[in-house]
Amino acid sequence: GENVEQHPSTLSVQEGDSAVIKCTYSDSASNYFPWYKQELGKGPQLIIDIRSNVGEKKDQRIAVTLNKTAKHFSLHITETQPEDSAVYFCAARPGTYKYIFGTGTRLKVLA
Amino acid sequence: DAGVIQSPRHEVTEMGQEVTLRCKPISGHNSLFWYRQTMMRGLELLIYFNNNVPIDDSGMPEDRFSAKMPNASFSTLKIQPSEPRDSAVYFCASILTIGTDTQYFGPGTRLTVL
Repeated sequence: GENVEQHPSTLSVQEGDSAVIKCTYSDSASNYFPWYKQELGKGPQLIIDIRSNVGEKKDQRIAVTLNKTAKHFSLHITETQPEDSAVYFCAARPGTYKYIFGTGTRLKVLA
Repeated sequence: DAGVIQSPRHEVTEMGQEVTLRCKPISGHNSLFWYRQTMMRGLELLIYFNNNVPIDDSGMPEDRFSAKMPNASFSTLKIQPSEPRDSAVYFCASILTIGTDTQYFGPGTRLTVL
């Protein structure tokens, strides 16, 4: 069935270092891949997204890459800051409205 | 815009009681989603509305759960009777139009059933 695997479940990095979170999806019909940041006590907030016709997208310190053949997509955060600490979720959309979410990565940026 | 509004933010109730969660989507958005978040199962889609009509309720766990959207600016998720395993954070999200992609989440309701 539809599934999105996300790794790692927890990630600790030193401030200024880079962080990479990886996801793998199962449904080849997936055409849209958003990434969300969830801070404590808040709902997920979209931080970047990529569509299936694009291989890479960048927004300041955040970038996402997509490998459709391997069904992999990754989030890259450079020059991490303490305020980047949160839980990050990837998602894949195999149809027009259904989003399949990964299990989340708790990122800790150590000052 | 105030974003997606949910109430209450926290709800503690006893097993067997009825629980009603409320959501006001962003004005002008015509698609609304209810999700449940738990440590064990992550974020799960419960039900999806488009133009106030339920399109997909296959994620609703059982008959104890029901959802309504009487108008474009209000939706409810009801659990009757509630059980301890219903304890979770329930999120509402809205999208301007299906195909515009950006899904905006509310702050969630943390439900605890004792």
